[in-house]
Amino acid sequence: QVQLQESGPGLVKPSGTLSLTCAVSGDSVRSYHWWGWVRQTPTKGLEWMGEIYHTGSANYNPSLESRVRMSVDKSKNNFGMDLTSVTVADTATYFCVGRVYGSGKMFEFWGQGTLVIVSS
Amino acid sequence: DIQMTQSPSSVSASVGDRVTITCRASQTISNWLAWYQQKPGRAPKLLISKASDLESGVPPRFSGGGSGTDFTLTINSLQPDDFATYYCQDYSAYPYTFGPGTRLDIK
Repeated sequence: QVQLQESGPGLVKPSGTLSLTCAVSGDSVRSYHWWGWVRQTPTKGLEWMGEIYHTGSANYNPSLESRVRMSVDKSKNNFGMDLTSVTVADTATYFCVGRVYGSGKMFEFWGQGTLVIVSS
Repeated sequence: DIQMTQSPSSVSASVGDRVTITCRASQTISNWLAWYQQKPGRAPKLLISKASDLESGVPPRFSGGGSGTDFTLTINSLQPDDFATYYCQDYSAYPYTFGPGTRLDIK
């Protein structure tokens, strides 16, 4: 069973870069999964940020596309997300997620979530 | 982007009741709809994919239906563990979008 665990700073300064990593256990990051990120705020609810395949093929939410980049680290069996030029509006709980490529299902696998606060 | 709406936004019910939550897409999405359950402080849990396919391990009192733009999640014989917030999600095309959620409280 795939398990995901987010890590990263809980506090980021405005205009800085928010960088998170998701450790994958129970399977290889090179397996048939799309890996992605979903964030949640009390005001906007759940927002899909994007997803990446181990080949590097990625799809991003157009609302974030100019600021977000995702990557896969096969040597460490994890994947990451960088969000640049953050503002207080990026304060949210960030979840890493996974789904099986070609299964027709959505996000079966979720990390526990990590709260990131944007503040000076 | 496709917009998802849910109704009601909140509902109160008793153990043993039957509850139906509705999700509507702003344009047709065929059956590319998922339902999630989320409890406070926890990650969402996938319940249903492709509008009506129950995830392994999800109790059969949960069922999903619909296609096109209108979908339902029905919970028969509510159990104490079912009180949570439920979200629908479109995945017919990028960007995937979630509904605003329906909070199910104990009456």
